[in-house]
Amino acid sequence: ETAVFQTPNYHVTQVGNEVSFNCKQTLGHDTMYWYKQDSKKLLKIMFSYNNKQLIVNETVPRRFSPQSSDKAHLNLRIKSVEPEDSAVYLCASSLRGNTGQLYFGEGSKLTVL
Amino acid sequence: QQKVQQSPESLIVPEGGMASLNCTSSDRNVDYFWWYRQHSGKSPKMLMSIFSNGEKEEGRFTVHLNKASLHTSLHIRDSQPSDSALYLCAASIGNTNTGKLTFGDGTVLTVKP
Repeated sequence: ETAVFQTPNYHVTQVGNEVSFNCKQTLGHDTMYWYKQDSKKLLKIMFSYNNKQLIVNETVPRRFSPQSSDKAHLNLRIKSVEPEDSAVYLCASSLRGNTGQLYFGEGSKLTVL
Repeated sequence: QQKVQQSPESLIVPEGGMASLNCTSSDRNVDYFWWYRQHSGKSPKMLMSIFSNGEKEEGRFTVHLNKASLHTSLHIRDSQPSDSALYLCAASIGNTNTGKLTFGDGTVLTVKP
């Protein structure tokens, strides 16, 4: 049962274009995340928001910018994509009091040509 | 920076056999461990968690934790082809404040019928 919804699920674009991914959770959680999973399946956190406030901002290129309108929504914008941005971007949510129990969306696979 | 190391990288077991997966953290402050399972083409789902020394069993799955050595292991008895997946170990310092989980590189388990 999916309760973390991501769009789009796939996106193919050219180097230098802009892309946005959207995420919504219906679990009533207060914390949301963006993770990047590369071709080797390595999963790394990029950003984390608690109640619209940025609480984790890992070292990612400045062309990545998260946006949160409320605790149920977290979007990710990538300005001027690069080939190394090709990956699956996973949105997740949790309760701040249980940050280890993440609920992931189905992922947004980005291919940069 | 904290590292979570998993072994083996891949594992093949016969149907009905026992699969044993290992995970160790390099950060002595880590005190929470989780195991996630990711089937091919799907998103990770939390399988089990362990925070105290000892073992915890849920059906065919048992996790062990040795806090002194920061080592956890996941054992799957009577392995089934449906258990074939990428198993990810994750660790954190506390469960409430950092909003951040560090994942290992994973173990790919294949259960042969």
